[in-house]
Amino acid sequence: DAMVIQNPRYQVTQFGKPVTLSCSQTLNHNVMYWYQQKSSQAPKLLFHYYDKDFNNEADTPDNFQSRRPNTSFCFLDIRSPGLGDAAMYLCATSGWANTEAFFGQGTRLTVV
Amino acid sequence: QQQVKQSPQSLIVQKGGISIINCAYENTAFDYFPWYQQFPGKGPALLIAIRPDVSEKKEGRFTISFNKSAKQFSLHIMDSQPGDSATYFCAASNNQGGKLIFGQGTELSVKP
Repeated sequence: DAMVIQNPRYQVTQFGKPVTLSCSQTLNHNVMYWYQQKSSQAPKLLFHYYDKDFNNEADTPDNFQSRRPNTSFCFLDIRSPGLGDAAMYLCATSGWANTEAFFGQGTRLTVV
Repeated sequence: QQQVKQSPQSLIVQKGGISIINCAYENTAFDYFPWYQQFPGKGPALLIAIRPDVSEKKEGRFTISFNKSAKQFSLHIMDSQPGDSATYFCAASNNQGGKLIFGQGTELSVKP
């Protein structure tokens, strides 16, 4: 059974058109993460939540925002996607700091 | 301070052989070292993880060797199989934030 579910699996958006990616979890984990993974590269952390406490990475562009309305759901908003934002976006959860992180299948974003 | 360096970038092994991937870290505060396996188009999945209070951990054909003084750890895949062909990422985190810092990844190809 899927534990971290990302929707959609594939998303095509127009240059500059806002897009939202979603993630839900059935694990009741406190921590949720968003990673960006470009082709043949390692996942790069964008931000994460400890419960409702939002933690932004210093080098995450302002173009990327996130919302976590409750424990189960987390959203990634890209306000004005550029061609360089085309990537796989991965959501992950963990029970607390320093424990196993469970990843979703990812959303592959294409910007045209 | 936050880097995790992984080598080699790619690896070709014959079926039945041993695959060895190495990682080195800088931040001595790291205390959780997982290895993730990622197939094309999928999210990373935890393979095996170790904490620095042990020097080795084995699960089936997969073994992590950990050298705290050298700040290095490695993944050994015994009796490598074509189904092991994937990208492998080492990672590290600490309980001061819990966020995973990934190595650059190793693309493993096991030839029949």
